[in-house]
Amino acid sequence: GAVVSQHPSWVICKSGTSVKIECRSLDFQATTMFWYRQFPKQSLMLMATSNEGSKATYEQGVEKDKFLINHASLTLSTLTVTSAHPEDSSFYICSARRGLGLYEQYFGPGTRLTVT
Amino acid sequence: AQKVTQAQTEISVVEKEDVTLDCVYETRDTTYYLFWYKQPPSGELVFLIRRNSFDEQNEISGRYSWNFQKSTSSFNFTITASQVVDSAVYFCALSEVSFQKLVFGTGTRLLVSP
Repeated sequence: GAVVSQHPSWVICKSGTSVKIECRSLDFQATTMFWYRQFPKQSLMLMATSNEGSKATYEQGVEKDKFLINHASLTLSTLTVTSAHPEDSSFYICSARRGLGLYEQYFGPGTRLTVT
Repeated sequence: AQKVTQAQTEISVVEKEDVTLDCVYETRDTTYYLFWYKQPPSGELVFLIRRNSFDEQNEISGRYSWNFQKSTSSFNFTITASQVVDSAVYFCALSEVSFQKLVFGTGTRLLVSP
């Protein structure tokens, strides 16, 4: 149990376009989902925390108008990179946590975004 | 503020050697959780272990073992008799109860050659 999927697994888009990445918890309800970004050979950096039905909480330095996060249901969160630029090229990973007081995060397989 | 330091950027060993990956953390909380994850070339994070701050017992799982020492704020990971399939980036992470989010170290790249 506790499987998290991401779609797409990789995407190439042109500069200036927007791209949406989906994160789904397949066999559990996720009250909280997290979005991370990982540049090549670097660590995971938390971008934002989203709770179902409420606005996401963004980490310092992350532009909320550029990285739109929607957590419309207990099994789905989406990250939309708006007006993407080459510097947004990165590996985006989501994770999901079920319930409060449970600290285990289940990670998705990641989405590799390349902006040309 | 919470912080995780993995001083070893890259380690290279030959198969069957033992290797220890270091992790030092900082936190003001008395209750927290420590984690180790493996990230193979595919990119998907693989959960290895979670340890809470009240449990200082060392743990062994097959060829893997973990040494948690609160006195030195360390949570080191040892692979015994390493194998080529162990080649990956290993991340240590910390979650404070008060913030409930994971902070990752910079990772250690382990290369195991035949």
